[in-house]
Formats: sequence, structure tokens, C-alpha cells
Amino acid sequence: DQQVKQNSPSLSVQEGRISILNCDYTNSMFDYFLWYKKYPAEGPTFLISISSIKDKNEDGRFTVFLNKSAKHLSLHIVPSQPGDSAVYFCAATNSGYALNFGKGTSLLVTP
Amino acid sequence: GAGVSQSPRYKVAKRGQDVALRCDPISGHVSLFWYQQALGQGPEFLTYFQNEAQLDKSGLPSDRFFAERPEGSVSTLKIQRTQQEDSAVYLCASNLGFETQYFGPGTRLLVL
Repeated sequence: DQQVKQNSPSLSVQEGRISILNCDYTNSMFDYFLWYKKYPAEGPTFLISISSIKDKNEDGRFTVFLNKSAKHLSLHIVPSQPGDSAVYFCAATNSGYALNFGKGTSLLVTP
Repeated sequence: GAGVSQSPRYKVAKRGQDVALRCDPISGHVSLFWYQQALGQGPEFLTYFQNEAQLDKSGLPSDRFFAERPEGSVSTLKIQRTQQEDSAVYLCASNLGFETQYFGPGTRLLVL
């Protein structure tokens, strides 16, 4: 049973605009959330994370928002750049080690 | 410094063959993880080591899958009598014991 869901398989955004990637989860025990970025033929690369005690975490162009009551998190990329084109995975854990991943959203940033 | 490395990067096996996939974690990382990523899916947790101790193997799909980390550094994931459904990318990750896991490039296994 998929506990982490990314309902948009793909997203296309113009360069310079905001990219918003969404993620929903069903397990209320999850206490740590991460976003990974993946290029073809490479492993996932850690992007940003957030603890369940926070509702926002920012790192440069990347911001993650957590809405615990809605069991929803989102990743905002501002401004989007062509190099951001990749597959983005949302992951969550309550064990401190086993990550539960969504299926990913393929982001395409067009010039 | 060097990241997580995995070998081979690609492996083609005939159904019924045994395969061994190797993971070299980041130096000093005590925790090591294996994930399986099927086509079009996100990675799925297989097993977890803390040093040489395998603390969780609940994600291993069957008893044909076996993982070891005898000296607490390099790990090997072995799949016996491979089946077509074992075709996937096998990812290894490591960390210092905190949440952020750092992944290797993966081994793409194709079982014919």
C-alpha cells in the first residue's frame, strides 16, 4: 500500500517561474520528510528535508512546506532553471531509517 | 569526498542465475541501506545495517534475497535463482545514523 503519493507524474514550467511539486501521505506517524532529485542513470540526490515539528524549511531556491493536518507537503523552486529538470521524489519516515518514497514527478523547465 | 559507489552498474542475468551486487558506502558511515526501484516506481526499502548488524530485513521480497556487511563497511546484496520480476535498479544508501541518506548510482539488473 502506497503511503506516500505524488499524484502528478509530470510538470512543465517556464524558466524563471515557480515550480510547485506536491506530495501526500497517509501515515500520521511519519515524522521526517525529504525531497530527492534524480537524473537519468544516477542515484537520487538529497535536496531538502523537514521535520514534523516545523511547517517550513528553506534552502536557497528550494522551500518545503509541511501541512500536517492535511498530510501534505510541497516543494517550491523559485526561480526554476533548466538544470532543475529531473525526477523529484518525496520520501517520509517514522523509523529513522526506512524511507517510504512516492513514485516521483518529472519536472521539465523550458527556456 | 567520495560518495557511495556500486558495482556492477549494469548486470544481465539469465533466469535462474545467482547475482551479487556490491555497495561501498561513504567512509565512516555506520548505516547502510538497500532499496529496489522498479520501472516507473519510487525506491522501496529492502534492508538496513548498522555497522555489521542487519537490524531490519523486512523489505526483502523473498528468501532468495540475502544481504551481508561482514566488516561493517562494504555490503553485498545477493539474489539467488533470479526471476524476471527481480529486474529493477538496486540502490544502496548510507548515512551517519541520521535521517538524510546518500545514495549511490544503483545497479540496473535485467533478468532474461
